[in-house]
Amino acid sequence: DVKVTQSSRYLVKRTGEKVFLECVQDMDHENMFWYRQDPGLGLRLIYFSYDVKMKEKGDIPEGYSVSREKKERFSLILESASTNQTSMYLCASSLGRVLSSNQPQHFGDGTRLSIL
Amino acid sequence: SQKIEQNSEALNIQEGKTATLTCNYTNYSPAYLQWYRQDPGRGPVFLLLIRENEKEKRKERLKVTFDTTLKQSLFHITASQPADSATYLCALGGRGSTLGRLYFGRGTQLTVWP
Repeated sequence: DVKVTQSSRYLVKRTGEKVFLECVQDMDHENMFWYRQDPGLGLRLIYFSYDVKMKEKGDIPEGYSVSREKKERFSLILESASTNQTSMYLCASSLGRVLSSNQPQHFGDGTRLSIL
Repeated sequence: SQKIEQNSEALNIQEGKTATLTCNYTNYSPAYLQWYRQDPGRGPVFLLLIRENEKEKRKERLKVTFDTTLKQSLFHITASQPADSATYLCALGGRGSTLGRLYFGRGTQLTVWP
């Protein structure tokens, strides 16, 4: 079974801090994704990556950046945290663009981030 | 931009009945559609995938239909059980440079009562 591990289940940070959320997958997947999930808004894509050192913006990239130095690890960075970034953050991975376009995404259990 | 609507935010049914969840979309022609289940405090879990050239897919008590003319997918859970209570998400996927990216609906929260 694919395992996607997010470094923290709960995190509390202060406004203006630089925040790092880490995600690791153990199935050699090429694609990795970062979403945030808010009540009434559903899952919104922040950034995704098809390969090491490659990234693409999703629908709401403002205020975030990402890093993919190794294939198994995808990090989300809040450059200067703000209260409107309080949310549930979900990481996902999927097999890869070369093999098939219809692969399911495998999710971690999320990091509930509170910015005070 | 594409828009995905799931029939309602909440659906309550009695145990043993069939639950039917709806996913409608506009401004998009997906190559496939996926359904996920999400429990409180957990990430979504993949359930079923159906391609644009398929009308119906089944897996145990689950059935998915896909009508590209109506731009709609129906997700059925037969003989529903309280353990089926969760939020169900539909997701659309396409072709081209965004291979692998999915567009998610907001979900329908299903409650099955005894």
